Amino acid sequence: GIQVEQSPPDLILQEGANSTLRCNFSDSVNNLQWFHQNPWGQLINLFYIPSGTKQNGRLSATTVATERYSLLYISSSQTTDSGVYFCAVRRETSGSRLTFGEGTQLTVNP
Amino acid sequence: NAGVMQNPRHLVRRRGQEARLRCSPMKGHSHVYWYRQLPEEGLKFMVYLQKENIIDESGMPKERFSAEFPKEGPSILRIQQVVRGDSAAYFCASSPPSSNTQYFGPGTRLTVL
Repeated sequence: GIQVEQSPPDLILQEGANSTLRCNFSDSVNNLQWFHQNPWGQLINLFYIPSGTKQNGRLSATTVATERYSLLYISSSQTTDSGVYFCAVRRETSGSRLTFGEGTQLTVNP
Repeated sequence: NAGVMQNPRHLVRRRGQEARLRCSPMKGHSHVYWYRQLPEEGLKFMVYLQKENIIDESGMPKERFSAEFPKEGPSILRIQQVVRGDSAAYFCASSPPSSNTQYFGPGTRLTVL
């Protein structure tokens, strides 16, 4: 199956700092989504971004499909950004399932 | 437009009992997916259903687990004779027929004592 690797596994920031999270995948995809799982366990859709760049407030994402990676940028981080960020992809050649990476645990300290 | 609904949000069962998890997709969504998240891990695909059909159940354990999505009513994930290793968060997602985007519910946290 497709492999999804996220880095770094853990990240600790001071409030106000910027960060970049990376997602590498091993095969062609026709769907890539970024999620934020907050400390209460809820999974929140951030972006649907199989290719290109999107921005939503302090967050933006870029997927370079030909090179099989995606980046999530968080600017001016806030304590409420804490949680786990997951990248999930759907392989182009088969099925409808999303394959998730292991996530990046982000902690933003005041 | 309400999001994906799951209930119960928390479920406690003793070993050997049955667990029934329910998922109501977003309005207009006919595709439902179930994922399981074990403690400290990412989500893993279990099963993909459309109305009255199981499309892909390759991620679901062969024994004790079953899923359905009837013509009327929510999708049900059923776990018979639960064991401690079934303790996890179970997430449901839905999508409309013509879209790749999956929208996730809040999850059901199952604890097996």
